Amino acid sequence: DAGVTQSPTHLIKTRGQHVTLRCSPISGHKSVSWYQQVLGQGPQFIFQYYEKEERGRGNFPDRFSARQFPNYSSELNVNALLLGDSALYLCASTSGGYEQYFGPGTRLTVT
Amino acid sequence: ILNVEQSPQSLHVQEGDSTNFTCSFPSSNFYALHWYRWETAKSPEALFVMTLNGDEKKKGRISATLNTKEGYSYLYIKGSQPEDSATYLCAFNQAGTALIFGKGTTLSVSS
Repeated sequence: DAGVTQSPTHLIKTRGQHVTLRCSPISGHKSVSWYQQVLGQGPQFIFQYYEKEERGRGNFPDRFSARQFPNYSSELNVNALLLGDSALYLCASTSGGYEQYFGPGTRLTVT
Repeated sequence: ILNVEQSPQSLHVQEGDSTNFTCSFPSSNFYALHWYRWETAKSPEALFVMTLNGDEKKKGRISATLNTKEGYSYLYIKGSQPEDSATYLCAFNQAGTALIFGKGTTLSVSS
């Protein structure tokens, strides 16, 4: 079975632009979470979605938004990019149990 | 603010050495403690999920213990091998909440 997949792998954007990151969960998993990891820090929680509903939101500005589709895949959108948004963005899926399974991440560089 | 602390930040050992890392977390409203192994450019790999005080888990040469009353977990690696080189992340969550990660311990094993 395929694990959690994310696209793109890397991308470079300019300050002020908008970006969309995509995540496909493990087949059968209905919950997706997004995390941001900046260099030297552990991953920080951004959003959790379950059955297309937002179930949790971390301490991130309104420039960050997300949604989950009927097939349980998810998008993370970031508007008005800042240099500080440069990070690795991780997606994780779960079937509802304790374990969360992570994708390899999308490396975003904002110049 | 809930905080997860990991120590040491980094560790360099020789092949065959045994080593251990510490994770400290809030002891109130405990739900689960997670250990992940993360190699560069790969997805974080779940090692253990621990939910009960006194839990001990083992996978090959790696084992972990949990003390929820005092809020700490130890990860042990017996007879370290170069392929054990990775960052080991600890994450804690309360019921219905997202994972809160520590900054990780980076292990380097030289042959």
